[in-house]
Amino acid sequence: AQKVTQAQTEISVVEKEDVTLDCVYETRDTTYYLFWYKQPPSGELVFLIRRNSFDEQNEISGRYSWNFQKSTSSFNFTITASQVVDSAVYFCALVPSGTYKYIFGTGTRLKVLA
Amino acid sequence: SQTIHQWPATLVQPVGSPLSLECTVEGTSNPNLYWYRQAAGRGLQLLFYSVGIGQISSEVPQNLSASRPQDRQFILSSKKLLLSDSGFYLCAWSVGQGIGYTFGSGTRLTVV
Repeated sequence: AQKVTQAQTEISVVEKEDVTLDCVYETRDTTYYLFWYKQPPSGELVFLIRRNSFDEQNEISGRYSWNFQKSTSSFNFTITASQVVDSAVYFCALVPSGTYKYIFGTGTRLKVLA
Repeated sequence: SQTIHQWPATLVQPVGSPLSLECTVEGTSNPNLYWYRQAAGRGLQLLFYSVGIGQISSEVPQNLSASRPQDRQFILSSKKLLLSDSGFYLCAWSVGQGIGYTFGSGTRLTVV
């Protein structure tokens, strides 16, 4: 079965705190892609990152960083020094190679309090 | 540059009324097109996807249908809305397998 689990339904942090959003996936495929999307209150989903299964390098983009570990089937997302504008629902998604269908997790709602 | 347009932004419809949501993509050819639904407080459910004109794949049996009359146009329809059809509908496109989606701004549908 192919599945994405975001066990954290909602997280609240105070501004400037670091926060990590967890994503655990299941697939038997050796080739696949992983994504993170942000859904601000406006509703539109915004692409954050794409990672293929052969690239386990961690990535940092400004205050955002991603930790991909195939050994634990996890693709976690960390926001450093969180800001109120980071408040949103964040979705992790899995795309097995050769398919068009994205398997989304149920999302994690992040609230950053001023 | 590529853009995706989705309308209307909000819609309130009575039970039993028809539905037509439209999505168009500009700046690309032969995109893969998708309709997702997000129920309140829940994740994204893939409803339909299309890899070409007239080619529609349905993921979930339901009260809805989709059509792709033109290369860059994707329409979500219903003949008779149910209360359970309420939700946030998102259109998206991509240009290949494993490539990130670009989402439209969504339509918030409330069936009353």
